[in-house]
Parts: sequence; structure tokens; C-alpha cells
Amino acid sequence: GAGVSQSPSNKVTEKGKDVELRCDPISGHTALYWYRQSLGQGLEFLIYFQGNSAPDKSGLPSDRFSAERTGGSVSTLTIQRTQQEDSAVYLCASSLVRPLGETQYFGPGTRLLVL
Amino acid sequence: DAKTTQPPSMDCAEGRAANLPCNHSTISGNEYVYWYRQIHSQGPQYIIHGLKNNETNEMASLIITEDRKSSTLILPHATLRDTAVYYCIVRVATGANSKLTFGKGITLSVRP
Repeated sequence: GAGVSQSPSNKVTEKGKDVELRCDPISGHTALYWYRQSLGQGLEFLIYFQGNSAPDKSGLPSDRFSAERTGGSVSTLTIQRTQQEDSAVYLCASSLVRPLGETQYFGPGTRLLVL
Repeated sequence: DAKTTQPPSMDCAEGRAANLPCNHSTISGNEYVYWYRQIHSQGPQYIIHGLKNNETNEMASLIITEDRKSSTLILPHATLRDTAVYYCIVRVATGANSKLTFGKGITLSVRP
């Protein structure tokens, strides 16, 4: 079956521009997560959605970062006024929410380069 | 979530079993052991998870010690495509705090 998909796969932008990154979770998965991974670093949690609401936004690094999810499915991560330090791979994951044994499945990521 | 400790790297010969250790001495009763791997330039891939019983699937086996303070991921017949960074994660399974916290992982190199 279809896994998590993300678009674009690569994005090059100029400092100061806004970018939108898209995530299509696995059908039926109500939980959705955004992470980012800078070059040579581990994964850094950004935000968690349960349905359309975001009970945990604690990982968003600044108010330039925002995310929304509509219809309990597709999510968009927006970075305004991009900075060079925003360059990273942005990963999306989705999961079912079950009482025990929730497993997150990741997409291939969007590689963002801010010049 | 409980902290995990993994050696930084290991290697094994193609076709042999790869045994990847993980220590999680502060694990609590409701925390699961999860393993993910990340092949270069790809997103993390789920491998297996368990609570206290040993688990096996088509990719690997997970052996958890009786006191749950350590575990071993076993790839029974490693191939070159198994070269990746493997992450051992201990976490509560669900709820608003279900985000994954990845450490540095262990880099497995499978040699021909």
C-alpha cells in the first residue's frame, strides 16, 4: 500500500523567501509528526498533530515556523522568511493511535537548501 | 523517555548475523523498545518493537533481557543493503508525548 509521501523532494530557495512543505500521511493514520534533520545530526521533533489539532508544538524553533492539517489528512509546514540555518531535511511521519504499540512510518523527506 | 546507549559503530560480514546491542537501564514498565534504521539520504524505517517478550518479523528479531535493561536487534543474514544507522528508542507508546527522540544510533557497516 501507499506509504507517507512528501513534496517537493528537494527545494532550493533564497534567504528571506517563504516555503511550504507538504506531507500526505498513510490513509487512516490520525497522528502526524514533523521532524527535521540537519546535516550529520539526529532527528529533531517539530510538531505533532492528532486529527486537525496540534497538542504538541513544542519543537517549532521560532514563530517563523507554522503547520496546519486539514481534513485530518494532508499537512503543510510553512517556513516564513527562511534563514540559512533552516537548511535541513524535513521529515514527516504518521501513525495510528492505539492504546498500545503505536508505530510511526516516515516519508522520504524534503531536502531544503536556503541560499 | 528513557535514555538509551548504543556503541557508535560496528561491522559484520555479508551473510552473517548482525547483533546490535542497546542499553536502557532506566526503562520503566510502560515503555517499549523500538528500533528504526536510516539508510543514507532516506527517511527512517521502522524495524521492530517490543515490550518484554522477544519479537520476530520479516526483517529482524528483538531480544529483550528479562530485567528489560538491555536488548539486542538481530539481523539474521546481513546484506550490503543493511548498511545504515540503527536507532534504539525507548518510549511510551501513545498519547500526546509520542514523539520519537533519536540519539546518535549505531552505524552498521556490512562488508562483502
